[in-house]
Amino acid sequence: QVQLQESGPGLVKPSETLSLTCAVSGFSISSDYCWGWIRQPPGKGLEWIGNICHSGNTYYNPSLKSRVTMSVDTSKNQFSLKLSSVTAADTAVYYCARVFGDYCDYWGQGTLVTVSS
Amino acid sequence: QSVLTQPPSASGTPGQRVTISCSGSTSNIGSNYVYWYQQLPGTAPKLVIYSNNQRPSGVPDRFSGSKSGTSASLAISGLRSEDEADYYCAAWDDSLSGPGFGGGTKLTVL
Repeated sequence: QVQLQESGPGLVKPSETLSLTCAVSGFSISSDYCWGWIRQPPGKGLEWIGNICHSGNTYYNPSLKSRVTMSVDTSKNQFSLKLSSVTAADTAVYYCARVFGDYCDYWGQGTLVTVSS
Repeated sequence: QSVLTQPPSASGTPGQRVTISCSGSTSNIGSNYVYWYQQLPGTAPKLVIYSNNQRPSGVPDRFSGSKSGTSASLAISGLRSEDEADYYCAAWDDSLSGPGFGGGTKLTVL
């Protein structure tokens, strides 16, 4: 069974870099799939952040592209997200997910990241 | 604002049939499959419809999806209290090169 689990600091200061990791179990991250990050501000809808594929190709939401970096660590079967120069508007629950074709089929439980001094 | 447009709320009484609409454009719904997610409070989204009108294993046949042009809809028949949740539509957006989501519809079972 495919399982994903986000981890990282729950509190980040403004202007700093948000860093999250998604550990994948029950499935090899090296398989022919993409892996994505989606976020949900409190009380609001879902926003796609970006995908990283087994090929190493990355696809980022244009609205966040200048601040986003994604990477994969096949030795640990996990992938990561870095979002730089954060502001209060980046406060959200961050989800990682497996991208099956053109949709997300397996999701992590989500982790709340608050941007505050 | 969200890539896809949904009404913010919908409601119905137990046993009723409710529909939730989702509007997009030629770069998303008009040229790609539509997906629907159910999100209960404090939990991750759960897929209830994929590829416009297919149900994953375990999703009751009370849930159905349809698509026409650049719009789609989710229908829930025989409404039950446990259906009360937020529902999100999604479709790959060719301009984004990623999935676009609707703003979500909060379904209340009266």
